[in-house]
Amino acid sequence: GNSVTQMEGPVTLSEEAFLTINCTYTATGYPSLFWYVQYPGEGLQLLLKATKADDKGSNKGFEATYRKETTSFHLEKGSVQVSDSAVYFCALTMDSNYQLIWGAGTKLIIKP
Amino acid sequence: GAVVSQHPSWVICKSGTSVKIECRSLDFQATTMFWYRQFPKQSLMLMATSNEGSKATYEQGVEKDKFLINHASLTLSTLTVTSAHPEDSSFYICSARVWDRDATGELFFGEGSRLTVL
Repeated sequence: GNSVTQMEGPVTLSEEAFLTINCTYTATGYPSLFWYVQYPGEGLQLLLKATKADDKGSNKGFEATYRKETTSFHLEKGSVQVSDSAVYFCALTMDSNYQLIWGAGTKLIIKP
Repeated sequence: GAVVSQHPSWVICKSGTSVKIECRSLDFQATTMFWYRQFPKQSLMLMATSNEGSKATYEQGVEKDKFLINHASLTLSTLTVTSAHPEDSSFYICSARVWDRDATGELFFGEGSRLTVL
C-alpha cells in the first residue's frame, strides 16, 4: 500500500545550521507530496507542496523537491532559526478526495 | 489562511463516560471535514471523513458506534467518543478542506484535542 517514511527525531541543531529532514514514500501511481508543520501549541499548517515529479515546493526558506526516481521529498533549509522548532510531517495524497497518508513526524529542536 | 478551531484542547474523563470534541471552521464553510487520531510517536491516522448533512465515512477498523461523528452545519463537526476507555486516550485532530485555484484543496487543521481516559 501507500506509505510515507520520515526520519526519526528529535533532530537537534544549532541556529544557522543546515537542515535536512528525509522523507521517502511508497505509492502506486503519482502522488502529490506535502510537508506540514506543527508549532508548539498550534494546529498543523501546510508548509509546502509539490504535485508532480521534479517540482520544487518552497516556503519560509524551506524547500523540497519531488524526486520520482528516488521516491523522496526531503525537506531542506539553509540556515535554521530557533523559531523553526516544531514537528514536521511529510504526507502524500493519491486522489482528489484529499485523504492524506502521513509520516510519523520529526521533531526539530533548534538551540540558540 | 483559513482557521479551524477545536475544543476542548485538553480533556480528562473517567472510563465509561462519553466525550464530545468540536471542530469549527471559523471563516469559511466546510462541506467536508476529516478526523484524525495520533498515537505517540506514530503518524496521523485518518479515522473518518465527515460530510455536512450526511453520514460520515469511516476508515476500516474504526468503530462507528464508538466514534460518533456529526456534521450538522457547514461550520461545525463533532466527534463523540462514547463509553471511553483508557485505550481511547490519544490526540484527536480535525481538518477542513478549502479549495484553492489549482484545485488541489489545501487542508487546514485544528489545534488538536488531547483525550486522557482514567
